[in-house]
Amino acid sequence: DVKVTQSSRYLVKRTGEKVFLECVQDMDHENMFWYRQDPGLGLRLIYFSYDVKMKEKGDIPEGYSVSREKKERFSLILESASTNQTSMYLCASSLSSDSGNTIYFGEGSWLTVV
Amino acid sequence: AQSVSQHNHHVILSEAASLELGCNYSYGGTVNLFWYVQYPGQHLQLLLKYFSGDPLVKGIKGFEAEFIKSKFSFNLRKPSVQWSDTAEYFCAVRTGGFKTIFGAGTRLFVKA
Repeated sequence: DVKVTQSSRYLVKRTGEKVFLECVQDMDHENMFWYRQDPGLGLRLIYFSYDVKMKEKGDIPEGYSVSREKKERFSLILESASTNQTSMYLCASSLSSDSGNTIYFGEGSWLTVV
Repeated sequence: AQSVSQHNHHVILSEAASLELGCNYSYGGTVNLFWYVQYPGQHLQLLLKYFSGDPLVKGIKGFEAEFIKSKFSFNLRKPSVQWSDTAEYFCAVRTGGFKTIFGAGTRLFVKA
C-alpha cells in the first residue's frame, strides 16, 4: 500500500512564526501536492511538484513556499504564520504513469495559528 | 476558470435509502474524474474514478458514478446506504498536467 506520512498531526503556532510541515511518501511517486482543507471550501491546491527541485503554484500559493530536495519528501513552509492560515493541511502524491492519476493522501496536519 | 460544483453540502438519509450526490465541472476538454471519500477520523481515499471507456464506473462498497459528457456531470450513486457510509464525499477533476481540482465536499450522515 502507498503510504504518505505527515510528520505532525497537530500543531499550534504563534502569529509570525515560521512553520515547516513535512511529508514523506514511500512509493517513488513523481508528483507531490500540498492542499489545505477548509469547511465549505473543499480542498484547495497550494503547491505541487512533479519532480525533484521542481515546483508549481497551485490556486492559493500566497504566504506559502515549498521545498522538494529529495523525491520522497515535500515540505510546506509558512514563512510568517497568520491566523487565516489556521487549517487542515493535506499532503498527497501520485504516479505520473498511472492512468487516471489517482492521488494518495496523508492523514493531514491540523495547524492552529494563535 | 476550471471549477467543480457539488450540489449538496449536507445530506441526511436513513439506512437503506438511495443516494445520489451531484457533481458538475466546468472544462471543455478531456477530463479524468474522481470521487474521494473521507470517513470520520480517517484520511481521504479513492472511491472510484473515470478516465476512459464505459461512462458508468463502479467503485468500492457498492458505489457507482456515471459520466455524462453533455451535461459535464459525474454523479455518485448508491442504491441502499448503510450507517457506515457516513462520511464526506469529494468530487474531483483532472483536466491535464498534474493538477486536480476538488469540489467543496458533501457531508453525508446516515441515520441508523
